[in-house]
Amino acid sequence: QVQLVESGGGVVQPGGSLRVSCAASGFAFSGYAMHWVRQAPGKGLEWVASIRYDGSVTFYADSVKGRFTISRDNSKNTLFLQMSSLRAEDTALYHCAGENYDNSGYPLGYFDYWGQGTLVIVSS
Amino acid sequence: QSVLTQPPSASGTPGQRVAISCSGSSSNIGRKPVNWYQHLPGTAPKLLIYRNNQRPSGVPDRFSGSKSGTSASLAISGLQSEDEVDYYCAAWDDSLNAWVFGGGTKLTVL
Repeated sequence: QVQLVESGGGVVQPGGSLRVSCAASGFAFSGYAMHWVRQAPGKGLEWVASIRYDGSVTFYADSVKGRFTISRDNSKNTLFLQMSSLRAEDTALYHCAGENYDNSGYPLGYFDYWGQGTLVIVSS
Repeated sequence: QSVLTQPPSASGTPGQRVAISCSGSSSNIGRKPVNWYQHLPGTAPKLLIYRNNQRPSGVPDRFSGSKSGTSASLAISGLQSEDEVDYYCAAWDDSLNAWVFGGGTKLTVL
């Protein structure tokens, strides 16, 4: 069955760095666009970053642009989010999500696979 | 403040029908499909409705979606206790070049 399992979360000081991962199984990971979506305590879902199936194109929310980097290793079916210059407002549960493509190579426009998330806490 | 606007809460009794609204603008809902996600905090969100009104396999037909202009709506009929989770609308925004979510609606089954 499809599984997305996030890991690497933890407590980090403001200004610090952390890399979280998302291990995929049960579907053709290398053919999917992948995304990171976070939920801060008591808040709603917030899109963070996206990456094309081959890693050639990336998008970022303004709130993380220049500080976060999304990447992937298709040989290991793994998605990454490198976070630096972390702030208290980056404290959240970080979910990875997958988006398939149609037969013409266009992304379908919805996230059909999701993971349970990994918790990142930015605190001194 | 979210780009897409949802009511923070909604409620209904078992068996009732409830609707959750999602208001956007011409750069998102007005020109792009809307998706709805069901989420119990701390767990994996689940795709509930895609492309305005399509249900993934396995989602009961009690759930339906619609869109008109710059607004969308999720309707849940035959309300059940297990429906008591959070619901989010989402769409791509052409002006922001970003995925945007609503603030979420917490559904209470009375």
